Amino acid sequence: DVVMTQTPPSLSVAIGQSVSISCKSSQSLVYSDGKTYLHWLLQSPGRSPKRLIYQVSNLGSGVPDRFSGTGSQKDFTLKISRVEAEDLGVYYCAQTTHFPFTFGSGTKLEIK
Amino acid sequence: EVQLVETGGGLVQPGRSLKLSCVASGFTFNNYWMSWTRQAPGKGLEWVASITNSGGSTYYPDSVKGRFTISRDNAQNTLYLQMNSLRSEDTATYYCTRGSSLHYWGQGVMVTVSS
Repeated sequence: DVVMTQTPPSLSVAIGQSVSISCKSSQSLVYSDGKTYLHWLLQSPGRSPKRLIYQVSNLGSGVPDRFSGTGSQKDFTLKISRVEAEDLGVYYCAQTTHFPFTFGSGTKLEIK
Repeated sequence: EVQLVETGGGLVQPGRSLKLSCVASGFTFNNYWMSWTRQAPGKGLEWVASITNSGGSTYYPDSVKGRFTISRDNAQNTLYLQMNSLRSEDTATYYCTRGSSLHYWGQGVMVTVSS
């Protein structure tokens, strides 16, 4: 199984600051079609997860452009510029390149 | 607007069965793979099963293989998860998700396995 190692486990950030979350996979996430199926999700308190970014760097519909994703092969990063109060919650990376699909353990973002 | 509405959760004894349903609307159901993902209380996310557009192929992690069965009725825009031989570690909120890229998620349904 592909192990997704997500760091840090938690972050405390002031409104307006920028943060980055790292996600590293135990094997390459490039599929045979050349695409990389690495996604970022946010689970706000008491809510279902919501997909923010798909295939490394594509912003989901309605997602603010303060969110951005970069990376390749086995090393990926989610960046949030100018954090807002509504950004609090748990962020997960997920890979759907290989079966079984696997998730990172989550990064809890708190607002100072 | 895409909507995924899960039903069928509840309290069940270990070793018993339960069947979850997910009614989809707002998109052409038979164009998409569908999946189930679960989250144990206070824990992270775990993929449970996926099924292709036609229902011809299904996929499971080892943790549920042989006990859970994913299926779909494209005429009724409904996804199912039949869960047999339930264990305490299957206690979780179960989410229906659209596509292999986890695009849309339902509100979730709670399954508690306890005597």
